[in-house]
Formats: sequence, structure tokens, C-alpha cells
Amino acid sequence: AQSVTQLDSQVPVFEEAPVELRCNYSSSVSVYLFWYVQYPNQGLQLLLKYLSGSTLVESINGFEAEFNKSQTSFHLRKPSVHISDTAEYFCAVSSTRGSQGNLIFGKGTKLSVKP
Amino acid sequence: NAGVMQNPRHLVRRRGQEARLRCSPMKGHSHVYWYRQLPEEGLKFMVYLQKENIIDESGMPKERFSAEFPKEGPSILRIQQVVRGDSAAYFCASSLWTRISYNEQFFGPGTRLTVL
Repeated sequence: AQSVTQLDSQVPVFEEAPVELRCNYSSSVSVYLFWYVQYPNQGLQLLLKYLSGSTLVESINGFEAEFNKSQTSFHLRKPSVHISDTAEYFCAVSSTRGSQGNLIFGKGTKLSVKP
Repeated sequence: NAGVMQNPRHLVRRRGQEARLRCSPMKGHSHVYWYRQLPEEGLKFMVYLQKENIIDESGMPKERFSAEFPKEGPSILRIQQVVRGDSAAYFCASSLWTRISYNEQFFGPGTRLTVL
């Protein structure tokens, strides 16, 4: 079984400041890792994913995340945030085996960017 | 290229009534997933279906909840005799299916169910 822990439920930050949203996971098998973003009253959008290869993955809007196997972490970072980044961010894992149907989500981190 | 469609977007039911939530996957996608998001919680997996077949229903409550994905038409999540604790956002996702790579799930906008 897998589980995901997002340690911070809310992260307030000023515009143009750096931000890190933390994610740790637990799994007895190898996993794929994901970050999703949810804007108010909308569905989830995939932000970035780690499937294999380079442990540093990047999104098109400046976010990046690094898979750290020894620390079982997949923290999300952005060097300079914008007001438009205000949203809720969910970390998720999926087993690399079996049906791949079951995404396990963390409880989410609400990022609030202030001017 | 339309994304995953869900309707209704908002649904209000009184205790004891039935709720039917519909999900139309992206064109060409044969696999559908249902998740529930309770207030202040992350999404919880409920069920995974392909057309005419339930693949994994390990997250479905044992009673009152059922799901189907017929050969024609949308996937339906059905909740009988709703209770206040069923109030949540229900999200559907769809994917292609390949054996050799990860099958990315694309999410719909969700149906927000309120039970009075």
C-alpha cells in the first residue's frame, strides 16, 4: 500500500518569492510521482510527473520537483511565484505495477500568493 | 478536442434520494476512474472501469454506491439513499490504455453533490 503526506496545509507567500511545497510518500513498491494543481471550482490539472530517468522534472510554467528516493520525497519548488499560482496543489503516487488505476493523493497544500 | 465532461456540475439532493453522476471520457479513452473529494481532504480513489467491466472497486463503499461504464454512453456513478456524509466533490478521470507505458489520467471539472 502507498500513502502520501503533504506536511503543509497552507503556504502563504509574497509575489516573486520562492516557494517549496513538501511531499513525502510511503510505498513498499516502486511508484510514479505526480503533482496536480486545482484552481477554485475546477478539476485537477497535471503539473508534472516523474516516471523514470532524470530525478529532476520541470513544468512549462516554472515549477520543478525532484525525486529523492532515499528520503522518499518529491518536493515542488518555484524560484519566483506569481499571483496566478494561487491554487491548491496535490501530490500523488501510483504503483508502477498492476492496473495503474489507483492514484493515491495527499491532502493538498493551498498556496496563497499575495501582492 | 473536448476534455472529460461531467454533469451535472452541481447536484442537490435530499436525504434518501438517489444521485446519478455522469462522466463522458475524452475521445478515444476507454478507461474511467472515479474519485471523491471530501471537504479539506485530498481525492480518494473509488473505482476504475473500462467499458462493460469493473477493474478495481477497492475504494467503493460497500453499500449504496455503484458504478458502470456501458458500451455506449457515459460512465455513471450512482448513489442510492444519499446521506449528508455523501456531500462531496466527485471527480472523474479518463485515460488511454497501453501496456508499455504509464496511462495518464485526465480529470473532469467534477460534480459537487450537496445533500440536504
